[in-house]
Amino acid sequence: GAGVSQSPSNKVTEKGKDVELRCDPISGHTALYWYRQSLGQGLEFLIYFQGNSAPDKSGLPSDRFSAERTGGSVSTLTIQRTQQEDSAVYLCASSLRGGSTDTQYFGPGTRLTVL
Amino acid sequence: SQQGEEDPQALSIQEGENATMNCSYKTSINNLQWYRQNSGRGLVHLILIRSNEREKHSGRLRVTLDTSKKSSSLLITASRAADTASYFCARRDTGFQKLVFGTGTRLLVSP
Repeated sequence: GAGVSQSPSNKVTEKGKDVELRCDPISGHTALYWYRQSLGQGLEFLIYFQGNSAPDKSGLPSDRFSAERTGGSVSTLTIQRTQQEDSAVYLCASSLRGGSTDTQYFGPGTRLTVL
Repeated sequence: SQQGEEDPQALSIQEGENATMNCSYKTSINNLQWYRQNSGRGLVHLILIRSNEREKHSGRLRVTLDTSKKSSSLLITASRAADTASYFCARRDTGFQKLVFGTGTRLLVSP
């Protein structure tokens, strides 16, 4: 079946603009994660959704970042008033139930460049 | 940062040789996983080792875990040019859902 998909694959924006990144998890997966990968910070966790539970937002770097997951499926990561340090590859992953030994399947990522 | 440390940062070998990458951490873990990344994009899950396991094998991959030393290693035997990629360890800390990734090892396998 289809894997995790993300759109757009690349996004170039100007400093101060808002951006929305989309993630379509694997069908039937109840857990969804966002990570970002940047040269300076490596791979870091942003936010985690599991079913109808309150999301774990502990990794969001500032209040300019927010995410939602509608209908337990598609998720959107929104970055408001983008800054140059937001430039990174944003990776989405999903797993079947979010269990500790569940494999997280990653999408191809969205490369965000803030000019 | 809670990020795990990996060494070496980069490794260059010839086809047929073995490649060993190491990962160290400081926390109490539920499990530790290894991922591969090509060209800075999608991560592919390779293998998971639980905290009560010491060694696991998958094809040409061998992973060890020493919880007393808080370290893990990934061995790729009989490497191929197609193994060229970045490899990351990722730990699942006890009580947490997120993965915490290491700094990664860039492996170059020359024909």
